[in-house]
Amino acid sequence: GDSVTQMEGPVTLSEEAFLTINCTYTATGYPSLFWYVQYPGEGLQLLLKATKADDKGSNKGFEATYRKETTSFHLEKGSVQVSDSAVYFCALIGPGNQFYFGTGTSLTVIP
Amino acid sequence: EAGVAQSPRYKIIEKRQSVAFWCNPISGHATLYWYQQILGQGPKLLIQFQNNGVVDDSQLPKDRFSAERLKGVDSTLKIQPAKLEDSAVYLCASSLVAGGFTGELFFGEGSRLTVL
Repeated sequence: GDSVTQMEGPVTLSEEAFLTINCTYTATGYPSLFWYVQYPGEGLQLLLKATKADDKGSNKGFEATYRKETTSFHLEKGSVQVSDSAVYFCALIGPGNQFYFGTGTSLTVIP
Repeated sequence: EAGVAQSPRYKIIEKRQSVAFWCNPISGHATLYWYQQILGQGPKLLIQFQNNGVVDDSQLPKDRFSAERLKGVDSTLKIQPAKLEDSAVYLCASSLVAGGFTGELFFGEGSRLTVL
């Protein structure tokens, strides 16, 4: 069945460091891909999305490119801030419009 | 615009007891989802409603879990009897169009269940 696999966490970075969180997927067809973020004490919220191959989703300085050839959707940010500390979830939509989430990657940014 | 409302935020019960969680989605959102998030894992879909009909409940443990969405608005998720492994955060989410798609799910803050 459809699924996503995320890199294990937790990840700890210094402020202004470069961030990459890896995500690969297994799916029939060409699903839409998403990154959701969960800030401390809050619900999950959509960070960015891409609906077809080679699309780049971007928001709040984060980017991810839908790579069909490598079945990947890695999340990147050039310079992280303390306020980016959160748990990040990669997700895809299955054929029945169900969302499948990865296990989440916890990011802590230290000043 | 009000977000997805869930209650209670926290619940502690003993095994074999029952518990119910309530969710009120964003007004006008046709699709409602219940997810179970166990510590250290990603959210797992339990049930998906389109209006008041069930779209997918393939991962709902039907011997102990039940859910309803009467009138196609708010929803209740019940666990009876609870087991230790049911300790988790129960997330409710809604979307404007089923799979539609902006692809955006709007999540509530969750209901944290601890089963002792």
